[in-house]
Amino acid sequence: DTAVSQTPKYLVTQMGNDKSIKCEQNLGHDTMYWYKQDSKKFLKIMFSYNNKELIINETVPNRFSPKSPDKAHLNLHINSLELGDSAVYFCASSQGQSGNTIYFGEGSWLTVV
Amino acid sequence: TQLLEQSPQFLSIQEGENLTVYCNSSSVFSSLQWYRQEPGEGPVLLVTVVTGGEVKKLKRLTFQFGDARKDSSLHITAAQPGDTGLYLCAGVRASGTYKYIFGTGTRLKVLA
Repeated sequence: DTAVSQTPKYLVTQMGNDKSIKCEQNLGHDTMYWYKQDSKKFLKIMFSYNNKELIINETVPNRFSPKSPDKAHLNLHINSLELGDSAVYFCASSQGQSGNTIYFGEGSWLTVV
Repeated sequence: TQLLEQSPQFLSIQEGENLTVYCNSSSVFSSLQWYRQEPGEGPVLLVTVVTGGEVKKLKRLTFQFGDARKDSSLHITAAQPGDTGLYLCAGVRASGTYKYIFGTGTRLKVLA
């Protein structure tokens, strides 16, 4: 069973489109995250939710909007996609926010053309 | 400003060689983790260190947390092709927002 699953794994779309990436974790964790990994492999946190509440919102354009319908799900919606949004987006989860293992999904490879 | 700098950024070595990867910061961390990421997958935790000066061993991998909890190192003995991947350190700051800060990454390639 996949602990953290995200879909789609690959997404190629045109500039200006709106797209969503879905994420689900079956670990019973109370904290979920979205990370962005750029072409240089730098992994940067975008959002963090704890018990469905937003606790971390890094400097991310307003075009990115996370939604957490329940503790097990954290979806990412992106409006008006731009070329610079091309990256790998990782969903992750942990129990608590400090020191515990972060479990990552396999990543969603977004290419904006 | 990148809070966690890793060095080297790239490393290509022959099977059987030893290597050390460094993770440095000017900030103090309450804990520090090392992850390995293979192509097409997400990072997977290798180890967590929480005490200054702590040393942990995982088979051929030795992890050390600096005495001041500002830096860490990963030493691999007799590297194997299966060690190839992206190594990421991640720290949780001792003060401020509780969040993991990932390092800049070290891409290791071990040649057979």
